[in-house]
Amino acid sequence: EPEVTQTPSHQVTQMGQEVILRCVPISNHLYFYWYRQILGQKVEFLVSFYNNEISEKSEIFDDQFSVERPDGSNFTLKIRSTKLEDSAMYFCASSKDREGSYEQYFGPGTRLTVT
Amino acid sequence: GQSLEQPSEVTAVEGAIVQINCTYQTSGFYGLSWYQQHDGGAPTFLSYNALDGLEETGRFSSFLSRSDSYGYLLLQELQMKDSASYFCAVYSGGYQKVTFGTGTKLQVIP
Repeated sequence: EPEVTQTPSHQVTQMGQEVILRCVPISNHLYFYWYRQILGQKVEFLVSFYNNEISEKSEIFDDQFSVERPDGSNFTLKIRSTKLEDSAMYFCASSKDREGSYEQYFGPGTRLTVT
Repeated sequence: GQSLEQPSEVTAVEGAIVQINCTYQTSGFYGLSWYQQHDGGAPTFLSYNALDGLEETGRFSSFLSRSDSYGYLLLQELQMKDSASYFCAVYSGGYQKVTFGTGTKLQVIP
């Protein structure tokens, strides 16, 4: 069964450093998403992406965040200058098409620890 | 803005039925989904309601009342493996913006 994959599984970085989190969505999916989840809290929407453009973004997704689909398979989230409060689990998700966007397939997540 | 409220914890006995409620306030509502998340795992899609009424998928059913801004997830014949957190989520912006609820931690006891 196809699945969303994410690398690395755990990333430790120092405050102020840039990090890139990588995701490979399911191959025939068209919509891509990033979420974060601070330990013990709810899942928070960051951004959705379709046709090489951001579709929607939340107030969390400020100028320090960016997303990119650099090739036909990868989808990345860049955090330019990490802060302590960026420590969280980051989930990538994908969905097949607009009508099926309610059914999102999540990757296993990348745990980001900012020290 | 969007807001969703769920009970924080629910405990139920193996084999029983449990209902997890979700009330929401949102603009541009498209539908309500439910996701399951085991500790340390990723959210997994369970069900979706766009219209009022009940949707059934095996042991899981989900209900929506758009006029009441309310939905619930019903789990029947509870099994120990159902112990997990359950999140409701509302879609807006043409399904491109998703707001998750606060989550309900379900503990199934023997």
